[in-house]
Amino acid sequence: GESVGLHLPTLSVQEGDNSIINCAYSNSASDYFIWYKQESGKGPQFIIDIRSNMDKRQGQRVTVLLNKTVKHLSLQIAATQPGDSAVYFCAENYPGNTPLVFGKGTRLSVIA
Amino acid sequence: NAGVTQTPKFQVLKTGQSMTLQCAQDMNHEYMSWYRQDPGMGLRLIHYSVGAGITDQGEVPNGYNVSRSTTEDFPLRLLSAAPSQTSVYFCASSPTGDPGFGYTFGSGTRLTVV
Repeated sequence: GESVGLHLPTLSVQEGDNSIINCAYSNSASDYFIWYKQESGKGPQFIIDIRSNMDKRQGQRVTVLLNKTVKHLSLQIAATQPGDSAVYFCAENYPGNTPLVFGKGTRLSVIA
Repeated sequence: NAGVTQTPKFQVLKTGQSMTLQCAQDMNHEYMSWYRQDPGMGLRLIHYSVGAGITDQGEVPNGYNVSRSTTEDFPLRLLSAAPSQTSVYFCASSPTGDPGFGYTFGSGTRLTVV
């Protein structure tokens, strides 16, 4: 039978459309959050971060939204391009310089 | 080129064999860590180090040993490999223990234990 957890959630988006990737984090005391992008065969790369005293932060074509009430984080990618196809991870940091804790990831597939 | 270098990129081991995964960084980062990545499981922390001579356990430390004798190197040792250790291993470094300074990841080591 199928093993639980082997398959990542997948988001398929048409090229040029906007993408929204969601993440539920676990610790209400977490004070720092990061989104990473991982392309096939490579290590994760930093995209954008946000601290808990903010609810929105924008970068180049990317926006991160933080809703502390429901412990939810989202990454919005504007005008999605084929090069955006990858697995996206959110990570949270508990207070006290502890290591980052990563979510399970979402695979973004861009349809040309 | 500056960054985190992991060797080897690929390795196949037989059950019970031992080996060391190498990780080196040339950015003078104090903080280094090892993660394993399994399908659908994200990245799970194995061990980390906040500086030379200091190491600590992460979420899944069993079956792995580490040491940090220099700032640059943070090897991960498998003393007796098991099929459950089949995974992709990533090393990451950061200037300090504060993730706000950013993690730099290596390109990974794909390990298969048969």
